[in-house]
Amino acid sequence: QVQLVESGGGVVQPGRSLRLSCGASGFSFSSYAMHWVRQAPGKGLEWVALILYDGSIEYYADSVKGRFTISRDNSRNTLYLQMNSLRGEDTAMYYCVRHSTPYCGGDCNWGTFDHWGQGTLATVSS
Amino acid sequence: QSALTQPASVSGSPGQSITISCTGTTSDIGGSNSVSWYQQHPGKAPKLMIFDVSRRPSGVSDRFSGSKSGSTASLTISGLQAEDEATYYCSSYKNPGSRVFGGGTRLTVL
Repeated sequence: QVQLVESGGGVVQPGRSLRLSCGASGFSFSSYAMHWVRQAPGKGLEWVALILYDGSIEYYADSVKGRFTISRDNSRNTLYLQMNSLRGEDTAMYYCVRHSTPYCGGDCNWGTFDHWGQGTLATVSS
Repeated sequence: QSALTQPASVSGSPGQSITISCTGTTSDIGGSNSVSWYQQHPGKAPKLMIFDVSRRPSGVSDRFSGSKSGSTASLTISGLQAEDEATYYCSSYKNPGSRVFGGGTRLTVL
């Protein structure tokens, strides 16, 4: 079955960087676009970024654009989120999420978040 | 990206039906059929309950149903059960190239 396992969270000071990873198994990782979605403590869900199945195109929420970079290594079945210039408001559980439609093109305007990892917590605090 | 609008809370008794609304704009719900609903229990990851406005993934009870009218989507849960108590989120594709969630609705089964 589909498994997504996030890692790399921790406590980091404001202005510093953190790199999250997500190992995928149980499906053809290279066929699916992937998302990062975050949830601040006690708050709702916020979409962060999307990368197409082949890594050719990325999309970002305005709140992280220019600071975060989503990437993937299809040979290692791994998704990444490089987070730079971190702020207190970036404190959240970060979920790795599979896009439901294989080989979606453009901005994947069809499909949804069908499988979620358990999340990794990133805390930005001095 | 602004969040979709959901009621903060709803409640119902076992066996009853409830409906949760999710209001957006023509840039998201009103212009897309990529509307989904997620259930989240405390300390757990969200679970997909409805996609493409009204379709259920395999394994999701048929007590859960979805619909859309204009820029408002709705989730209906019939025959409420204790295990349905959770927070429910709607989401939609938002042109161009992003996604947006509702603020979440906490369902209490009385």
